[in-house]
Amino acid sequence: QTVVTQEPSLTVSPGGTVTLTCASSTGAVTSSYHANWFQQKPGQPPRALIYSTTNKHSWTPARISGSLLGGKAALTLSGVQPEDEAEFYCLLWYGGAWVFGGGTKLTVL
Amino acid sequence: EVQLVESGGGLVQPGGSLRLSCVASGFTFANYWMTWVRQAPGKGLEWVANSNHDGSEKGYVDSLKGRFTISRDNAKNSLYLQMNSLRAEDTAMYYCARGGEAFSECAYWGQGTLVTVSS
Repeated sequence: QTVVTQEPSLTVSPGGTVTLTCASSTGAVTSSYHANWFQQKPGQPPRALIYSTTNKHSWTPARISGSLLGGKAALTLSGVQPEDEAEFYCLLWYGGAWVFGGGTKLTVL
Repeated sequence: EVQLVESGGGLVQPGGSLRLSCVASGFTFANYWMTWVRQAPGKGLEWVANSNHDGSEKGYVDSLKGRFTISRDNAKNSLYLQMNSLRAEDTAMYYCARGGEAFSECAYWGQGTLVTVSS
């Protein structure tokens, strides 16, 4: 069974920078996994932020970016704002099916 | 404006069946991959299944193969999820999502429909 692992929780100060990561139980995450990233706030459906590792949607703030880092997919938020507090999920492609990570609860404090 | 409206959720007994629907508007439905994602209460997201533009390619999470079936009717701008032999652990909010650019799996989301499996 494929497992995608994210940090359960992270805390960042307003105005700071934080990087969330997404690891695969099958080994290093590469561009072939086409990582997608989503933000979800309580009581709302998820909102797409990044697709295919680094690509932003038209609504994705410029201060949010995706990358590969140390064998993992990564999502970096710069100039963090209080409204960034949310759950973040990555989604990886395994050639026929996708698998979500367990999510990272980001606290802005 | 892209709109996705799910329906068909509700309370069902264990072992029962349910068919979820998702009606799309604001875009050419037949041009896009479509996906079902679920979220159990207080838990994370789980990718369930997707379908290519014309329904000729479908993907499923291994754990649900054989019980859940995704389908679509492009003439009705509708996506479906047939769920059989339902179990308590299938209790979740079920979201319909639309793809975007290549490997943009769930660019747009509906508000979801809640399925509760309980006796």
